[in-house]
Amino acid sequence: EIVLTQSPATLSLSPGERATLSCRASQSVSSYLAWYQQKPGQAPRLLIYDASNRATGIPARFSGGGSGTDFTLTISSLEPEDFAVYYCQQRSNWPPITFGQGTRLEIK
Amino acid sequence: EVQLVESGGGLVQPGGSLRLSCAASGFTFSSYAMHWVRQAPGKGLEYVSAISSNGGSTYYANSVKGRFTISRDNSKNTLYLQMGSLRGEDMAVYYCARVGGSGSHDYWGQGTLVTVSS
Repeated sequence: EIVLTQSPATLSLSPGERATLSCRASQSVSSYLAWYQQKPGQAPRLLIYDASNRATGIPARFSGGGSGTDFTLTISSLEPEDFAVYYCQQRSNWPPITFGQGTRLEIK
Repeated sequence: EVQLVESGGGLVQPGGSLRLSCAASGFTFSSYAMHWVRQAPGKGLEYVSAISSNGGSTYYANSVKGRFTISRDNSKNTLYLQMGSLRGEDMAVYYCARVGGSGSHDYWGQGTLVTVSS
């Protein structure tokens, strides 16, 4: 089973700042990595698929990069609605699909 | 508009059973694989089970294998998760999710809470 490790666990930033979230896989997942955003009491929402492709309706301030074992999600300029928990997920070697443990992005 | 609506959650005793449903609308249900993903209170996301578009292939997380059964009725646009021998660690919000053309979960339901307690 591929283990995804996200860092940092919590990121404290202010609106307008740039956020960089990391996801590291225990073995190569090629580009089969997705990012999801989850707000309290809501279902996750797909942001990025296949490492760097924005899902439908996702603002351009969200971007993804990386391949193999190291990936990043960047939010270029934080909006108030971006403060949430972010998960990475791999589908390269499944079953099982695996998720990272999440990064909480909080307002500083 | 794509919609996924889960139902069937509730309080069940340890060792008990429960069947979750996920009603789909707004897309051709029979063309998409579907997954169940759960989230224990205050915890992260955990893949539970998957089923192919025609129901011919199913997959389970090791934690539920032998206790849960995933199925679908394409004539009713509905996904199911039959859960048995429930344990405390099965307590979670259960989401159904569509596997889109990207291979990722492009649509999710709102979730249904399963509470396992005596």
